[in-house]
Amino acid sequence: QVQLQQSGAELAKPGTSVKLSCKASGYTFTSYYIYWVKQRPGQGLEWIGYIYPGNGGTYYSEKFKGKATFTADTSSSTAYMLLGSLTPEDSAYYFCARGGGSPLDYWGQGVMVTVSS
Amino acid sequence: DIQMTQSPSFLSASVGERVTLSCRASQNINKYLDWYQQKLGEAPKLLIYNTNNLHTGIPSRFSGSGSGTDYTLTISSLQPEDVATYFCLQRNSWPLTFGSGTKLEIK
Repeated sequence: QVQLQQSGAELAKPGTSVKLSCKASGYTFTSYYIYWVKQRPGQGLEWIGYIYPGNGGTYYSEKFKGKATFTADTSSSTAYMLLGSLTPEDSAYYFCARGGGSPLDYWGQGVMVTVSS
Repeated sequence: DIQMTQSPSFLSASVGERVTLSCRASQNINKYLDWYQQKLGEAPKLLIYNTNNLHTGIPSRFSGSGSGTDYTLTISSLQPEDVATYFCLQRNSWPLTFGSGTKLEIK
């Protein structure tokens, strides 16, 4: 069965970076996009962008350019999102989801990032 | 970017009641509209894709309709387990954009 397993919660200091992972299983990793979505506690969903592991292509929503960087390791079927220059506004849940010319049909469980000094 | 407006923001209804949630796009999205259900403390879950296609395993009491800029999610008979926040998502053009959500509670 399709699964997306995300890494554990992160506590980071302002100005630093965190790298979140999303390990895929149960399907051909290089055939689907991995999307990343942000959700601040009690708030709505923000689409950050995607990586297509098939060719490494990426797309970032304008708001997240310079903030997020996507990579993928096809040997381990794992997608990564690096969040840099962290501020308290980056404190949120981050989800990965499978998609690409299709709906976001499978989601990771989410990971909480807390930015605090 | 395409703006997605959901209404109402909050809805309280009785078990067994027919419930309708709305989503309006700022421009034509050609039926590339999905609905997601998010229960408290969980990841969102796909309910309906491309306006009216029920995702695998989703109960038939959920249905979707719409075209152009206006879309609707209907729950034909509200059940206690349907308490959640519902989000619409347009996939017609990049960047993908979500509606702000409708929080559904049982009266």
